[in-house]
Amino acid sequence: EIVLTQSPGTLSLSPGERATLSCRASQSVSSYLAWYQQKPGQAPRLLIYGASSRATGIPDRFSGSGSGTDFTLTISRLEPEDFAVYYCQQYGSSTGTFGGGTKVEIK
Amino acid sequence: QITLKESGPTLVKPTQTLTLTCTFSGFSLSTDGVGVGWIRQPPGKALEWLALFYWDDDRRYSPSLQSRLTISKDTSKNQVVLAMTNMDPVDTGTYYCAHKVITTGGAFDIWGQGTMVTVSS
Repeated sequence: EIVLTQSPGTLSLSPGERATLSCRASQSVSSYLAWYQQKPGQAPRLLIYGASSRATGIPDRFSGSGSGTDFTLTISRLEPEDFAVYYCQQYGSSTGTFGGGTKVEIK
Repeated sequence: QITLKESGPTLVKPTQTLTLTCTFSGFSLSTDGVGVGWIRQPPGKALEWLALFYWDDDRRYSPSLQSRLTISKDTSKNQVVLAMTNMDPVDTGTYYCAHKVITTGGAFDIWGQGTMVTVSS
């Protein structure tokens, strides 16, 4: 089973700052990597699929990059509504797995 | 408009079998590339991928839970059912079903609201 490790566990930033989140896979998943945002009491929302493609309706301040085992989600300028938990998910193997999450909190 | 909604018991006893139903609308599970998956989340913890039912009747399970899971569909009712045997308190959490389509690969683009399941005697 492919293990995804997200870092850091928590990111403390101010609105307007840039956020850089990392996701590392235990083996190559090619570009089969997605990012989700989850707010308290809500279901996750798909942000990025195929490592770098934005899902429908996602603002362009969200961008994804990487391939193989190392991936990055970047939020160029944090808006108040962006403070949440972010998960990566791989679907490069026959089954999927999620990372442990990164919480982006207000500094 | 695609929607999914989970339903099932809110409380189950240890060793019992949990059966959850995902009722969906706005798409057909017979369309190429479409799938419905199940994901769970213990309180305050991360998401965990459980199982996926594909348009061609292929089924995939989490290796660590495969022996306890069965995913099936009822085409006439637009439902996907997940059964999990031998429930334990560590299985407590919110269970989500979600839709995937070929354009997003294995990523889940639409999620249900989730249903909370507590395992306790």
